Amino acid sequence: AQSVTQPDIHITVSEGASLELRCNYSYGATPYLFWYVQSPGQGLQLLLKYFSGDTLVQGIKGFEAEFKRSQSSFNLRKPSVHWSDAAEYFCAVGARGAAGNKLTFGGGTRVLVKP
Amino acid sequence: EADIYQTPRYLVIGTGKKITLECSQTMGHDKMYWYQQDPGMELHLIHYSYGVNSTEKGDLSSESTVSRIRTEHFPLTLESARPSHTSQYLCASSNTGELFFGEGSRLTVL
Repeated sequence: AQSVTQPDIHITVSEGASLELRCNYSYGATPYLFWYVQSPGQGLQLLLKYFSGDTLVQGIKGFEAEFKRSQSSFNLRKPSVHWSDAAEYFCAVGARGAAGNKLTFGGGTRVLVKP
Repeated sequence: EADIYQTPRYLVIGTGKKITLECSQTMGHDKMYWYQQDPGMELHLIHYSYGVNSTEKGDLSSESTVSRIRTEHFPLTLESARPSHTSQYLCASSNTGELFFGEGSRLTVL
């Protein structure tokens, strides 16, 4: 069975500083990988996804993530954080092929942005 | 912009009531999902459907039921709500790959 671990429950970062959120997954092959962001009381919005090809993936809102097969990781980064980036971030893994698009989510990382 | 809608957004009801959470999508997606999310916690898949008249239980056991009579509609029903059902319920749909989520229905059972 697939699983996702986000080691950091909370991260506090100053506005303008860089941000990195960690994600480790467990899966028997190369999965589909996703990062979603959730603002309070809202649904989830897709930031970026990795299916194949270039292991450095660009997303919306200036985010990027790098797939590292050897480390089973898919860490999310942003060079300069804005106050509007304060939210909960979820990493997710999905199985390829006939298993469809059932995603398994990590526990989330809550990002707080200091002025 | 994804077009998936959930109603109601917020619902407070008493124990024993029957409730239905509505979910509709206008993207023509075959696959639809219900996730349950407790405050500050991860999402757990409780139901999914790969097409009309196809429904399956997810990884987390749930007393709720779902139906898929039309492609665009995937309602979730609780026959007799209990305080343990208090949670946020997120509906999603997909075609290939990523899931598109609605804004969620936050249910509180007193």
